[in-house]
Amino acid sequence: EVQLVQSGAEVKEAGESLTISCQASGYQFNRYWLGWVRQMPGKGLEWMGIVYPADSDTRYTPSFQGQVTISVDKSIATAYLHWSSLRASDSAMYYCARRRPLLDSLDFWGQGTQVTIYS
Amino acid sequence: SFVLTQAPSVSVAPGETAKITCGGDNIGREGVHWYQQRPGQAPVLVVQDSRDRPSGIPDRFSGSNSGNMATLTISRVEAGDEAHYYCQVWDASSDHPVFGGGTKLSVL
Repeated sequence: EVQLVQSGAEVKEAGESLTISCQASGYQFNRYWLGWVRQMPGKGLEWMGIVYPADSDTRYTPSFQGQVTISVDKSIATAYLHWSSLRASDSAMYYCARRRPLLDSLDFWGQGTQVTIYS
Repeated sequence: SFVLTQAPSVSVAPGETAKITCGGDNIGREGVHWYQQRPGQAPVLVVQDSRDRPSGIPDRFSGSNSGNMATLTISRVEAGDEAHYYCQVWDASSDHPVFGGGTKLSVL
């Protein structure tokens, strides 16, 4: 059974750094792109970027380029989303999602990580 | 890049049929995917490649896609279908997925 399990909710102060994680199981981790999606309160889904675990090829949408860092640790089948300096506007729910090859759907999702930033 | 347009809300009585649309320039040429997001939960893929249902999705959910409009149809609507529904295509020019703004389905 494919599962994506994300790390727990975070409450941080503006200016701090933060890394959240997404641990995969039930499939060959290296062979599927994994992406991150932001959902701000009461809003829709925004694509942030994606990583290919086999070679760590990483691609960001222009809105998030330079704002976050996506990485992977193949040895533990885990992807990460990192902020070096948080802002209040980063407060949101974040989801990881697996990209299905050829169809380009997002066939499995993590349960989400709530990030709350206070200033 | 690709722009997908969804109506903000649709209302339907239990047992009736709901149609949720997703507009885009020549979207009929694309594979369209639909996600259901119930309140407080993560999105779930309910239709992929315009008309295919992933394993475990009831056959009450179906999709179609032609011209400038893709449609998610939910037959015999139940209270548990009340959720936001998002369409998505993969934008080849940017190599990223693009989401519609979402439609809130209310079951009266």
